[in-house]
Amino acid sequence: AQSVTQPDIHITVSEGASLELRCNYSYGATPYLFWYVQSPGQGLQLLLKYFSGDTLVQGIKGFEAEFKRSQSSFNLRKPSVHWSDAAEYFCAVGTMTTDSWGKFQFGAGTQVVVTP
Amino acid sequence: DAGITQSPRYKITETGRQVTLMCHQTWSHSYMFWYRQDLGHGLRLIYYSAAADITDKGEVPDGYVVSRSKTENFPLTLESATRSQTSVYFCASSESGWEQFFGPGTRLTVL
Repeated sequence: AQSVTQPDIHITVSEGASLELRCNYSYGATPYLFWYVQSPGQGLQLLLKYFSGDTLVQGIKGFEAEFKRSQSSFNLRKPSVHWSDAAEYFCAVGTMTTDSWGKFQFGAGTQVVVTP
Repeated sequence: DAGITQSPRYKITETGRQVTLMCHQTWSHSYMFWYRQDLGHGLRLIYYSAAADITDKGEVPDGYVVSRSKTENFPLTLESATRSQTSVYFCASSESGWEQFFGPGTRLTVL
């Protein structure tokens, strides 16, 4: 079955430290890949996306993600975390079908807490 | 204001009542979506629309009805609300269907 997995429900990181959030997917073909961020009480904001091409993609707020086909992964990274990065992060996967828009599925999310 | 708005932001209702959540976008995006967000489940797609008068079911459509007579509006109706429909509901829009822009959400409580 098609699935999107974010193995870490909760991550605590110190301000200034690096951050890596994991995302794994199970789909037949290479899907479209996305990371979204949700601050408390807010809607979701798109951080970055991968459709094709260079497997290292840059996003907003200093985030980047790397697509690894062999591992079916699309992990999100940030070299130095700021207190404002405390939020919930969602990986999302989209696939096309031949006759319609297709399927778009979110992972369960990873809550990031930033400590001083 | 440009963007995507949802109303109401908060709603409390009783079991069995009909409730309509509104979504309005000013970008003239072709696609619009309704999601519900529950702890441990991330976001689950309820319905989506690829254009005016075209709608399709998502992952969890039971108990919900949608319509899209105008490109900019995509209301979601709970015909007879149940406690299991207590959730936060997000509307999103997209020109391509892939890069989705989200509204601020509606927190619905069914007593």
